[in-house]
Amino acid sequence: AQKVTQAQTEISVVEKEDVTLDCVYETRDTTYYLFWYKQPPSGELVFLIRRNSFDEQNEISGRYSWNFQKSTSSFNFTITASQVVDSAVYFCALSDRGDNQGGKLIFGQGTELSVKP
Amino acid sequence: DAGVTQSPTHLIKTRGQQVTLRCSPKSGHDTVSWYQQALGQGPQFIFQYYEEEERQRGNFPDRFSGHQFPNYSSELNVNALLLGDSALYLCASSLIQRGENIQYFGAGTRLSVL
Repeated sequence: AQKVTQAQTEISVVEKEDVTLDCVYETRDTTYYLFWYKQPPSGELVFLIRRNSFDEQNEISGRYSWNFQKSTSSFNFTITASQVVDSAVYFCALSDRGDNQGGKLIFGQGTELSVKP
Repeated sequence: DAGVTQSPTHLIKTRGQQVTLRCSPKSGHDTVSWYQQALGQGPQFIFQYYEEEERQRGNFPDRFSGHQFPNYSSELNVNALLLGDSALYLCASSLIQRGENIQYFGAGTRLSVL
């Protein structure tokens, strides 16, 4: 069965600290897609990144970076120099299809990040 | 370029009633997925519509039904509401025709069942 686990329920940091959000996934598929979404208090899930299982190259986008490791089935997300505006619930998700033809997303429980000034 | 829009924003119903939620996908998108998000939980997949047909369904009872219209907009219907149906209902759109499996979400409809 496919499953996503975000063991950290809540994280609280002070502004400018670095913070890493953990994500561990389970799947029997050899090809799959992983995603990170951000959910601010407004409720809308905002897409952050998609990663294909064939591409293990880590990615940096501004203050955000992602570390994908197939060997440990992890797809962790780091925010460098956190800001108050980063406060939100962050979800890691796995697509149940290994191709690019859509399919459902399987979400973790989410990690609520609170960045204090 | 409008994103995914959902209506209404909030809704209060009583047990046993029926409700219809609406979703307009992002411009150019052809696929709509619906998710239920209980408080403090991750979204759970309800079903997905493509070419006006239900393409995939999650583990939800038949009380949950949907429809997709020729303009790609979609409705989610829930019959015989239960207290446990209280949740945030999220709609997401994507573009399968071009192999784009990124799902873009709306702000959701918050349903309260009393």
